[in-house]
Amino acid sequence: DGGITQSPKYLFRKEGQNVTLSCEQNLNHDAMYWYRQDPGQGLRLIYYSQIVNDFQKGDIAEGYSVSREKKESFPLTVTSAQKNPTAFYLCASRQQGLNTEAFFGQGTRLTVV
Amino acid sequence: KQEVTQIPAALSVPEGENLVLNCSFTDSAIYNLQWFRQDPGKGLTSLLLIQSSQREQTSGRLNASLDKSSGRSTLYIAASQPGDSATYLCAVSGNQFYFGTGTSLTVIP
Repeated sequence: DGGITQSPKYLFRKEGQNVTLSCEQNLNHDAMYWYRQDPGQGLRLIYYSQIVNDFQKGDIAEGYSVSREKKESFPLTVTSAQKNPTAFYLCASRQQGLNTEAFFGQGTRLTVV
Repeated sequence: KQEVTQIPAALSVPEGENLVLNCSFTDSAIYNLQWFRQDPGKGLTSLLLIQSSQREQTSGRLNASLDKSSGRSTLYIAASQPGDSATYLCAVSGNQFYFGTGTSLTVIP
């Protein structure tokens, strides 16, 4: 099946730890995105990548890092510098071009314990 | 910066009713507008995509319209069913996607 796979579904982080969220797609899409969703707020863009080995900061990039070494993979690391990381994280992808349709994964819920 | 607003924030209707969800955006320079459905604790499922040159798109009981000049889109759901209960999000596409905060829909059997 073609699609976007996010793992794990649930993730728990201790104070001071870095954690990495996985996002893999087999849709052959060029562009990939990471969003954060908090209750009562719209989705906010963390990072996006339009091509391998290139990525740009979104609106709330502080405390996060990404890499794009392969077309199908766009992992997100939540670092200890992110002071309020508890949220629902969504990964998306689309074909190259600003008028193409976006597809989303099923999300990862990160909780600080 | 693009701002997207969805009204109402929540809506409760009896089964079988036709309903309209609203989405407005401040910058008309968009490439497309996409409507999504989100079930609790799940990702977003794409419902309809309207290109900036189009006026509407239909899929089954769903019809979405776009008036780019006025910065508005509507999602029309015909003959609502309990299975339609979810949060509906609209997003406009520029260099990135800009999302509204969604409309939480409950269809009462």
